[in-house]
Amino acid sequence: EAQVTQNPRYLITVTGKKLTVTCSQNMNHEYMSWYRQDPGLGLRQIYYSMNVEVTDKGDVPEGYKVSRKEKRNFPLILESPSPNQTSLYFCASSLSRLEETQYFGPGTRLLVL
Amino acid sequence: SQQGEEDPQALSIQEGENATMNCSYKTSINNLQWYRQNSGRGLVHLILIRSNEREKHSGRLRVTLDTSKKSSSLLITASRAADTASYFCATVQNTGGFKTIFGAGTRLFVKA
Repeated sequence: EAQVTQNPRYLITVTGKKLTVTCSQNMNHEYMSWYRQDPGLGLRQIYYSMNVEVTDKGDVPEGYKVSRKEKRNFPLILESPSPNQTSLYFCASSLSRLEETQYFGPGTRLLVL
Repeated sequence: SQQGEEDPQALSIQEGENATMNCSYKTSINNLQWYRQNSGRGLVHLILIRSNEREKHSGRLRVTLDTSKKSSSLLITASRAADTASYFCATVQNTGGFKTIFGAGTRLFVKA
């Protein structure tokens, strides 16, 4: 089944404790993105990747890191999480520059205490 | 910064009525997409309209795009209770990258 998977789905952590949220897609998509969703603000793009080893900042990259070492995986790293990073996070992928429909993962709810 | 803005923020209608949601954006775009989200779940793509298209249909959905006004509308005809969800427009900026801007969304409630 074609899908985007994220792990973990739920995470409670404390300020400053490094964490990684994994994202994987099995559709051989070139593009992958990370978004955060906060009440009343819609989705805001954190980082995106146009292909392996090619990443770029979205609207709200501060406090986050990403890497794209393999085409299928696009992990989101929070080196030192803070309470303002408490949010619902979505990973998404799309086939190519010409086919920009994005397929979303189920989301990861993060609470930083 | 958010460039896509939907209006209304919330809409409540009776089953069988039509629902219209509007989206405005600020910069030059390649395309505009509409997505649906059920209660905190992942977004599901509904329809994509390219910058050189003016109208597109998919089942009970009709999307229009007016690039001169930088606006789009999504019409859901003959709404059903199952259409209750949040609807978002998204634009990919025409700058060679893949920077995507989502609006804050319209919450649609369809009463049975």
